[in-house]
Amino acid sequence: NAGVTQTPKFRILKIGQSMTLQCTQDMNHNYMYWYRQDPGMGLKLIYYSVGAGITDKGEVPNGYNVSRSTTEDFPLRLELAAPSQTSVYFCATGQGNEQFFGPGTRLTVL
Amino acid sequence: GQQLNQSPQSMFIQEGEDVSMNCTSSSIFNTWLWYKQDPGEGPVLLIALYKAGELTSNGRLTAQFGITRKDSFLNISASIPSDVGIYFCAGYETDSWGKLQFGAGTQVVVTP
Repeated sequence: NAGVTQTPKFRILKIGQSMTLQCTQDMNHNYMYWYRQDPGMGLKLIYYSVGAGITDKGEVPNGYNVSRSTTEDFPLRLELAAPSQTSVYFCATGQGNEQFFGPGTRLTVL
Repeated sequence: GQQLNQSPQSMFIQEGEDVSMNCTSSSIFNTWLWYKQDPGEGPVLLIALYKAGELTSNGRLTAQFGITRKDSFLNISASIPSDVGIYFCAGYETDSWGKLQFGAGTQVVVTP
């Protein structure tokens, strides 16, 4: 039971490049979330999903897209990377009020 | 959006001392969660609180859901070196399900 897994762990992008951050969970939770964490700050919600086929914007969705075709997977897409998207990205799952986090992806945009 | 005010921002304590931190909001919350984050890792849930006045322990950690529903407290007793890390409060405003809000964190450093 791996919980929440994220790939890659680290990535460096050039401005304007695109990439997909992968998130997979084996906890059979309906709810999944993407957060970003900037230095010295708490986590901010980018997008979330209450089940397969359903997604909604969080606090900071601009520049990102998500999809949820299965219960297990919730990829986060950056289409045109910008330096402001340099951050650590965390995926989380939840059932009820509690959320459980993956190990994170550290992304640098140069 | 709503900001959670978490304090203190950092604490430098000696092993064996007790630690207290708190989190306040300007609106009513119906759930408070406390997480710990180690360097290079994701946050790990420590304690969840669901009712005003609730007091819950997890080993040496004790957290309380404030009576006003606008604050929460976390205490760590008899700190040890592995308590080092960043502690985050988080919570849900009433009628804001799915949108967990986080404080900025309290960095705890424990010296021998």
